[in-house]
Amino acid sequence: QKEVEQNSGPLSVPEGAIASLNCTYSDRGSQSFFWYRQYSGKSPELIMFIYSNGDKEDGRFTAQLNKASQYVSLLIRDSQPSDSATYLCAVTGGYQKVTFGTGTKLQVIP
Amino acid sequence: EAQVTQNPRYLITVTGKKLTVTCSQNMNHEYMSWYRQDPGLGLRQIYYSMNVEVTDKGDVPEGYKVSRKEKRNFPLILESPSPNQTSLYFCASSLMSSYNSPLHFGNGTRLTVT
Repeated sequence: QKEVEQNSGPLSVPEGAIASLNCTYSDRGSQSFFWYRQYSGKSPELIMFIYSNGDKEDGRFTAQLNKASQYVSLLIRDSQPSDSATYLCAVTGGYQKVTFGTGTKLQVIP
Repeated sequence: EAQVTQNPRYLITVTGKKLTVTCSQNMNHEYMSWYRQDPGLGLRQIYYSMNVEVTDKGDVPEGYKVSRKEKRNFPLILESPSPNQTSLYFCASSLMSSYNSPLHFGNGTRLTVT
């Protein structure tokens, strides 16, 4: 079982729709959870992080964390073509070891 | 400007020819790390360092060396590169003081070993 799992996609959504990206993790001791966006050939950039159960909103982005189910998600409202990228879920555990999922490719169709 | 600087951006070399990829950060971060990214495999950690003179293996350390003689620099050394080390490499840094500290990535180094 992979430590951090994401559906590789591609996930295709029409412009203006809500994109829902999901991530599960195996280490119950995980502390923090990050979402990074990566455009093709570029470096990952932080979108947001969450460490408490529940929802955290930042503009069009909402991160959701459910530690009991070991599940974290990212919702993108009013999706734009510029949101088309690969989204990486990252989980921080002991000694600040960061484990990444393989990423979900999102395509926003104009 | 706060940043992580990697050099070179692109590197083509031949099997067995030693090379070094440099990484420098200007944010006074304690934690630095190297990742490689391959299609379908995501970002995999090679080595990491929690402070000067403190380094440890990540998930895929074979064939790589690192050093941390200064806080700002964390070079990645391939003593005898092989074609299976052809990959996209990222250096990253973060503060050690909080689990909520995000990683700041360099622009990446695309390495081809023939």
